[in-house]
Amino acid sequence: GDSVTQMEGPVTLSEEAFLTINCTYTATGYPSLFWYVQYPGEGLQLLLKATKADDKGSNKGFEATYRKETTSFHLEKGSVQVSDSAVYFCALTSNAGNNRKLIWGLGTSLAVNP
Amino acid sequence: DGGITQSPKYLFRKEGQNVTLSCEQNLNHDAMYWYRQDPGQGLRLIYYSQIVNDFQKGDIAEGYSVSREKKESFPLTVTSAQKNPTAFYLCASRPAGTYNEQFFGPGTRLTVL
Repeated sequence: GDSVTQMEGPVTLSEEAFLTINCTYTATGYPSLFWYVQYPGEGLQLLLKATKADDKGSNKGFEATYRKETTSFHLEKGSVQVSDSAVYFCALTSNAGNNRKLIWGLGTSLAVNP
Repeated sequence: DGGITQSPKYLFRKEGQNVTLSCEQNLNHDAMYWYRQDPGQGLRLIYYSQIVNDFQKGDIAEGYSVSREKKESFPLTVTSAQKNPTAFYLCASRPAGTYNEQFFGPGTRLTVL
């Protein structure tokens, strides 16, 4: 079945460092791909998405490119801030059929130190 | 403002009691979802509903029940049959359409004493 694998955390960086969180997937058909962010004690917020191959999603300085050839959707940011400390989830949904469930990675915790 | 409301934010119950968690949305979304989140385990789907008066079990439905009598509301009951009910519960909704992200509420943290 469909699945998402993302790098284990926690990831600890200094402020202004470069961030990469790896995400790879297995899916039939042509999934849409998402990154969500969860700040402590809160629900999840959509960070960015991509709906077809070679699309680049971007938001708040974060970017991810839908790479069908490597089945990846790695999250990057050029210069992290303390306020980026959160848990990041990669997810996919298949666009085939009527089942619109999201398939989730386990999440990667990011801590940014000043 | 449109959004998803979950109440209360913190809930305490004694073991053996049923408890109902509220989820309301005014986004006019067709589909709604309930997830459970435990530390280090990501999100696990409990139940989902794609239309009023219809719902399906997710991956961990045992010990839970839901109803979907109105489009705006999707309450979750945690029954006494749920062996480890203490967790963070998240409700989400999704609009109709193909490229369909889910929108999340703020969550309810349930502690069973």
